[in-house]
Amino acid sequence: DAGITQSPRYKITETGRQVTLMCHQTWSHSYMFWYRQDLGHGLRLIYYSAAADITDKGEVPDGYVVSRSKTENFPLTLESATRSQTSVYFCASSESPSGGPEGYTFGSGTRLTVV
Amino acid sequence: GENVEQHPSTLSVQEGDSAVIKCTYSDSASNYFPWYKQELGKRPQLIIDIRSNVGEKKDQRIAVTLNKTAKHFSLHITETQPEDSAVYFCAARPSGYSTLTFGKGTMLLVSP
Repeated sequence: DAGITQSPRYKITETGRQVTLMCHQTWSHSYMFWYRQDLGHGLRLIYYSAAADITDKGEVPDGYVVSRSKTENFPLTLESATRSQTSVYFCASSESPSGGPEGYTFGSGTRLTVV
Repeated sequence: GENVEQHPSTLSVQEGDSAVIKCTYSDSASNYFPWYKQELGKRPQLIIDIRSNVGEKKDQRIAVTLNKTAKHFSLHITETQPEDSAVYFCAARPSGYSTLTFGKGTMLLVSP
C-alpha cells in the first residue's frame, strides 16, 4: 500500500541515542497514529494526531516525542533510546479516530532494536 | 479507560475446521468493534467490523457476533484455509469520538 510509508524498515541503535522514525501518508487523512507491537502486548498506542499541530498521548507515551507540522508527516522520536523500546513500530492513518470504512491504514512497520 | 481482553492467545485448527476468537470489553458505552488480520511480516488490515446496533455480521467465511449485555464479541471463521493463518486483533471504540483499544491478539495456525 503506497499510501503510507515508513522509514527506515530496520534500525539498530545504541542505548541513549536519539532516533527518529518517519511516517508519510498520501491519503490526506486527518488522523495519524503510532503503535508499538510487542509479543504478549499486542498493539499499543503511543501517540496520535487529529490534524497538523494537534497531538495527544496514547497508552504508552513515555520516552517518545511526536510532531506534526504537515498533515502528511508524523515523525516519532525516541529522545534517549532504551532497550525496552526495542519493538516493531507501526504508523497508521485514518479519516476518523477509530477508522473509516477501510479502517486504519497501517504502514509496513519499522523494526527497531536498541542494543 | 477501555480494556479489551482477547482469548485464546494461540489457536491451532485443521484445515476445514471452524475457528472462534473471543473478546470482552469493559466500557458498556463502546459502540464499534473492528477485527484486524495481520499475516506474518505484514501490516494489520481490517477484515470485518460490527456496530453496537447490530448483533451479527457476515462476510463470506467470516462472521462477527456481539453480545452487548455480556460485553463480548467474537470472530467466527468457517472452513478454515491455510491462508487464514495470521494474528487476529479485536478492538473496541469507547463512547465518543475516540481511538481504538486493541486486544493482545490471537495467533491462528491452520494446518493442511
